[in-house]
Parts: sequence; C-alpha cells; structure tokens
Amino acid sequence: SQQGEEDPQALSIQEGENATMNCSYKTSINNLQWYRQNSGRGLVHLILIRSNEREKHSGRLRVTLDTSKKSSSLLITASRAADTASYFCATDALGANNLFFGTGTRLTVIP
Amino acid sequence: DAGVIQSPRHEVTEMGQEVTLRCKPISGHNSLFWYRQTMMRGLELLIYFNNNVPIDDSGMPEDRFSAKMPNASFSTLKIQPSEPRDSAVYFCASSFLGRGMAEAFFGQGTRLTVV
Repeated sequence: SQQGEEDPQALSIQEGENATMNCSYKTSINNLQWYRQNSGRGLVHLILIRSNEREKHSGRLRVTLDTSKKSSSLLITASRAADTASYFCATDALGANNLFFGTGTRLTVIP
Repeated sequence: DAGVIQSPRHEVTEMGQEVTLRCKPISGHNSLFWYRQTMMRGLELLIYFNNNVPIDDSGMPEDRFSAKMPNASFSTLKIQPSEPRDSAVYFCASSFLGRGMAEAFFGQGTRLTVV
C-alpha cells in the first residue's frame, strides 16, 4: 500500500507545549501534504512540501521531509486548545496522480 | 468560489435502497476524488477522476458502488443496493494535477447511515 502511517495515533499535551507528529510512507513521491480535520468536518490543507525540499514553515507549523528515510514530521509550536483535531499526511506518489492518506494522529491540547 | 459542495449532508436509508451522493468540484480543478471515512478503516480512496475520466477505481469496495463524472462540474457516487456496512462519511475532494498533485479541497462530507 502507498498509504502513509502516522505516529503516534493519539497525542495529548498541555496548551503552550509543542506537538510533533510523524509520517512514514513507502514509495517515491512528488510531494507530501499535511491536512487537519476537526471532528465531523472535511479535511483542510495545511502545508505541502516537495520531494526536493527538506523543511518548510508556515506560521506555527514546521514540516520536515527525509526522502531517504521516507518520512516526514509536522511540528506545531506553542499549541493552543483550538489546535485539537486529527492530522493526516498525504502522499502524491510518483506516477500515481492521486493522494493517499495516512491513518492520522488525534491531537488533544488541554487548556 | 464556494468550495467543493456535497449533497446531501446527511442521509439515512434502509438496507437495500439506492443511495446517490453528489459533488460539485471547484471550478478549474481537473482531478476529483471520492473518499470514505470510518473509525475502523480510516480514510479510504474509493475512486478518482482526471479530466472527467475515471483513472483508478480499485478502491471501490464492490460492484454495488459506482461513480460517474459526466462533466467537469459534477460527479455522483451511487450505492445500489445499500447495506448497513456502507455506513460512513463520504468525502469528495478536488485538486489540480499539474507537475504533481496540488492541495486538495474537501467538501463537508455526506454522513450515510444505512439501517
């Protein structure tokens, strides 16, 4: 399967702490994307990192990509209660022309 | 643009009935995806279209499922006959495929309950 696997499956932290989520995948990719899903809602795109990039920032988000290890990490700094959601990585595999989603990490930020 | 629009938002139907889910993608996008989400199986890719043509339907669980995209602004996912195990949230998403797949925009989903 080309599907990514996130770990941990669930993460609970205090407001103000940093949250790190990891994603591993199996095939070569064009890009890797991170999405957020609030309960009962559709997924929302957060950030896209291309295969030739190693790190990318967007506000409090920092994404890294290691294509040699086929892994990525999403760091949310100074977390807020409103960051409580599920976070998914999605891979655009070479030649596949679609997006395969991982299993997600459920993040709970305690006020 | 109003984003990806799905209808209905909720559907409750009896086992054996036909169910049709609808999706209007974002104008200008050339790729459309149908996903199903359950607690047990997570987010599964059912089928995707590129330029209105079905590219890969290997994720469609059974022959009871069919999807069409008659034009660039409309797609349907049909289940006939429906079964209780089809209960899930079904998402439609659209994107632009150029040099790689750009970000996908998701609809709000259709929550299907088959009783």
